[in-house]
Amino acid sequence: NAGVTQTPKFQVLKTGQSMTLQCAQDMNHNSMYWYRQDPGMGLRLIYYSASEGTTDKGEVPNGYNVSRLNKREFSLRLESAAPSQTSVYFCASEGGGQRETQYFGPGTRLLVL
Amino acid sequence: GNSVTQMEGPVTLSEEAFLTINCTYTATGYPSLFWYVQYPGEGLQLLLKATKADDKGSNKGFEATYRKETTSFHLEKGSVQVSDSAVYFCALKHTNAGKSTFGDGTTLTVKP
Repeated sequence: NAGVTQTPKFQVLKTGQSMTLQCAQDMNHNSMYWYRQDPGMGLRLIYYSASEGTTDKGEVPNGYNVSRLNKREFSLRLESAAPSQTSVYFCASEGGGQRETQYFGPGTRLLVL
Repeated sequence: GNSVTQMEGPVTLSEEAFLTINCTYTATGYPSLFWYVQYPGEGLQLLLKATKADDKGSNKGFEATYRKETTSFHLEKGSVQVSDSAVYFCALKHTNAGKSTFGDGTTLTVKP
């Protein structure tokens, strides 16, 4: 099993450019999440999807959009990148129950110039 | 709302020293509690978890006990190794359809 995969691993953008971060899981999980991690800020939730067909805002959704394409895939889109969006982005998935563990992808390192 | 407070880092220890990283939480009811570890350049991975009061989670020599009376889930290891150098996150999950709440992470460096 590949677990949670993310593409790309690293990306450099210019201010104002757009891009989509891809995430896929092969564990048949219901819930999927997008986080960003900045130095000294821990993990901050951007958006999540509790099940296929639903998405909800997390604590820092501004400047991002998401699509739960199907049960396996959950993409994050930056429509007009800003330097403040320079970060490491992690996708995660879990079965959805209270006792469930989250499984994280390896991350996408994004630099916005 | 739910919250998790972790001991501030960074923490630097010598090899074979005893480790404690404090974690306290605020939540109604009986959440599940987790410790995740993040090695350099990687995503987070589960280290251990406990799903009800007085449960002890353990893995790789690490332990944590779910203490309802003190709302705590402190991480301990009797003898750390250089390979334990990482960032450790405490987390809770409260409802079946809800999201997890993470602490800010504690960076541990173990020196030979």
